[in-house]
Amino acid sequence: AQSVTQLDSHVSVSEGTPVLLRCNYSSSYSPSLFWYVQHPNKGLQLLLKYTSAATLVKGINGFEAEFKKSETSFHLTKPSAHMSDAAEYFCVVSDRQSGGSYIPTFGRGTSLIVHP
Amino acid sequence: KAGVTQTPRYLIKTRGQQVTLSCSPISGHRSVSWYQQTPGQGLQFLFEYFSETQRNKGNFPGRFSGRQFSNSRSEMNVSTLELGDSALYLCASREGLRSTDTQYFGPGTRLTVL
Repeated sequence: AQSVTQLDSHVSVSEGTPVLLRCNYSSSYSPSLFWYVQHPNKGLQLLLKYTSAATLVKGINGFEAEFKKSETSFHLTKPSAHMSDAAEYFCVVSDRQSGGSYIPTFGRGTSLIVHP
Repeated sequence: KAGVTQTPRYLIKTRGQQVTLSCSPISGHRSVSWYQQTPGQGLQFLFEYFSETQRNKGNFPGRFSGRQFSNSRSEMNVSTLELGDSALYLCASREGLRSTDTQYFGPGTRLTVL
């Protein structure tokens, strides 16, 4: 069975400082991992995804994430936060189910607050 | 390509009524998934359709049902609405069913049950 744990429900940073959103997963096979962002009253937008190629994945808007199999982590980072980064972020794991299909599992989300 | 579209964007219903939500996937995408998003439960998977067949189903009561048409458009139906069904319902499409296939989300339908 697969699961995702986003370790912080809220993260607060000042504009211009680094962002770290933490995600740990459990998976039986070789998962694909995703980060999505959701701005208020909007749908989810893909930031980046890991699919067993390079372990350091670069996404849109300056975000990147590193897949660490030994730590079962896929933390999202950004060197310098911008006010427009304030949103809800979701970590997602997609792995093979017992029936052979793949169902994405979403974390509970981390709310990123950016102070001026 | 046009993105995933959902109609209507907002709905207000009363308890006991039923509702149908619609989702048009990105052109060429054959898989459509539905999610319920609430502040208390987060994002919960409802079901996924691929080539008009339900392939996966989440842990929701039978009042929640769906279908997919030959053009990959999908509808979701909720019968005998309850107050707890108030939520943002998100539709997502992807090309196939592989773990690497990215889901693209629509803007959602905000359902309020009074």
